[in-house]
Amino acid sequence: DAGVIQSPRHEVTEMGQEVTLRCKPISGHDYLFWYRQTMMRGLELLIYFNNNVPIDDSGMPEDRFSAKMPNASFSTLKIQPSEPRDSAVYFCASSTGQGKNEQFFGPGTRLTVL
Amino acid sequence: GNSVTQMEGPVTLSEEAFLTINCTYTATGYPSLFWYVQYPGEGLQLLLKATKADDKGSNKGFEATYRKETTSFHLEKGSVQVSDSAVYFCALSDASGGYQKVTFGTGTKLQVIP
Repeated sequence: DAGVIQSPRHEVTEMGQEVTLRCKPISGHDYLFWYRQTMMRGLELLIYFNNNVPIDDSGMPEDRFSAKMPNASFSTLKIQPSEPRDSAVYFCASSTGQGKNEQFFGPGTRLTVL
Repeated sequence: GNSVTQMEGPVTLSEEAFLTINCTYTATGYPSLFWYVQYPGEGLQLLLKATKADDKGSNKGFEATYRKETTSFHLEKGSVQVSDSAVYFCALSDASGGYQKVTFGTGTKLQVIP
C-alpha cells in the first residue's frame, strides 16, 4: 500500500490567499484525522472523520478553517483567508477503526504564509 | 480531560548509551498507550503500544511498560544508535474518544552523537 498521501508537500502563499491541502487515506481505513504541528503548540488535532462524517471539529481554530471528506478516498483542509500564524506542518492520518489501533500518518504539508 | 506529560528535551546521548524518556498520563478509564517516533521531515509512525496494565510494548530494541499504579509509560532502550535520533511522542487513547481520538504529548527530541 502507498500509505497516506498528502499534497502538496510544500506550500508558500501570501496572507489573504486561499489554501487547500489534500489527503488520500489508506484504502479501507474508516477514520481520517487532520493535525497541525508547530514548535510553539506541538501537535494539535484539528478535526477527524468517521466514514466521511465529521465527528469532532473542536480543534479547528476558527471559521477560516474548514475540512471536507466527500468520499472515502479524499479529504481537504481549506484555510480562507490565510494568515502568517497559520504557518505550520499539517498532517493527515488514517486508521481502520478496529480496536485500539494505530494511526498512520502522511508525510505532511509544510505551509508558509508570508 | 486526558493529558500526556513527557520529559522536556532535547536529550543528547552518546552512541551505545542507555535511554530513558519519561511519560506520565492522566485519563479516565483504562487507556491504551503508545509511543510514536518522528524522523526529520517525516510524519509520525507507531513505535510500540500497550493496551492494558502491566503490558510491555517493544520494537526495534525499545521497550515501555504500562504502569497503572504510577500512570506511567516510560520509553527505554539499552543501547542507542545515531539512527535513533528523532522526536518521540508519548500518546494515549481511551473510550471517551472511542479509542480513535489520540492525545499526544509535546514530544522529546533525541540526538545521538557518534
